[in-house]
Amino acid sequence: AQKVTQAQTEISVVEKEDVTLDCVYETRDTTYYLFWYKQPPSGELVFLIRRNSFDEQNEISGRYSWNFQKSTSSFNFTITASQVVDSAVYFCALSEAYLQGAQKLVFGQGTRLTINP
Amino acid sequence: DTEVTQTPKHLVMGMTNKKSLKCEQHMGHRAMYWYKQKAKKPPELMFVYSYEKLSINESVPSRFSPECPNSSLLNLHLHALQPEDSALYLCASSLPGRPEFKYFGPGTRLTVL
Repeated sequence: AQKVTQAQTEISVVEKEDVTLDCVYETRDTTYYLFWYKQPPSGELVFLIRRNSFDEQNEISGRYSWNFQKSTSSFNFTITASQVVDSAVYFCALSEAYLQGAQKLVFGQGTRLTINP
Repeated sequence: DTEVTQTPKHLVMGMTNKKSLKCEQHMGHRAMYWYKQKAKKPPELMFVYSYEKLSINESVPSRFSPECPNSSLLNLHLHALQPEDSALYLCASSLPGRPEFKYFGPGTRLTVL
């Protein structure tokens, strides 16, 4: 069965610090997708990034960067120079194989990130 | 228009009430999903519709009844709910066979008294 582990339940840092959120996954599929979502207190799941299993290139988008390593089954997320607005719960997710044309996302337990001023 | 809308945003209901949650998208997505999210937990899949047919039911109690009347609309009918059903209900849609494009709605926060 597919599984996503976010070992860090809560992280608290001071503004402007860099912070890395860890994500480790398990899957037997050779083709899969990995996602990161942000969920602020309002509840909406905000899509941040998706990565397919064939693309191990790291990505940087502004203050956000992602490190995908198939060898260690990890897809870590780093926020540089954190800001108070980054405070949220962050979920890493893995898509299972297609099921009758649809797909199921398996989520990690989430990491609650608090950025203190 | 890359948006999934959900109504209502908040819903409070008693255990004997019947209510419905609505989800709509106009992106041409033919796969639509209901997820349930309890406080401090990740979203959990409830139902999947693919081409307007129910393809996945994750052993959800019958007091939750999904309906997909057309390719743009997904409903979740609620009846005789329990207080433990209080949660955030998220709708999502995607292109069948394209899991990299999945969009979530803002959710309906349900409270069962």
